[in-house]
Amino acid sequence: EIVLTQSPGTLSLSPGERATLSCRASQSISSSYLAWYQQKPGQAPRLLIYGASSRATGIPDRFSGSGSGTDFTLTISRLEPEDFAVYYCQQYGSSLPYSFGQGTKLEIK
Amino acid sequence: QVQLQESGPGLVKPSETLSLTCAVSGYSISSGFYWGWIRQPPGKGLEWIGSIYHSGSTYYNPSLKSRVTISVDTSKNQFSLKLSSVTAADTAVYYCARLAQVPYYYFDYWGQGTLVTVSS
Repeated sequence: EIVLTQSPGTLSLSPGERATLSCRASQSISSSYLAWYQQKPGQAPRLLIYGASSRATGIPDRFSGSGSGTDFTLTISRLEPEDFAVYYCQQYGSSLPYSFGQGTKLEIK
Repeated sequence: QVQLQESGPGLVKPSETLSLTCAVSGYSISSGFYWGWIRQPPGKGLEWIGSIYHSGSTYYNPSLKSRVTISVDTSKNQFSLKLSSVTAADTAVYYCARLAQVPYYYFDYWGQGTLVTVSS
């Protein structure tokens, strides 16, 4: 079973700053199998990135994903007030088809 | 616009069976895609429960497999979740979602979620 570990647990930044969120897999995974979601309080998760680097429909270009193998990154180039939320990475694997990281909370500094 | 809506009891007694339905609009389940259930205990992360294809083919989280049944009703364009022998640990917001597969694997449309509390 592949375990996804996200870091940091909480990231405190100000609007306008750049955010870098990490997702590390316990084993190498295909980039096609890595997605990122944003979740705001009381709402369902929202797909941001799939295939490690492809933005979902309607997602602003300040969101970008990168990485391969075991290390993946979600970058928000310039934080807007609406970007403060919890972010999850998700992978597809063989033994546990779908699993999520524990989340990174992006909070306003 | 694909929309999903969960429905079912918000309170279930311990040892009983949790039953939820997800109604899909804006897309015919018979047209393709897998459809899945994900849950989130209060204040915690996301856990995939299982998924189903319109043909009825299913696959489940191994940790829940012995208690989970997911079924589909294409005539009503909906799919359902049953989780048996529930305990307080099954208290969570339950989401249904559409699942893209091959070559990418992700959940693109989600329901708003429904809170199910397990308590006597």
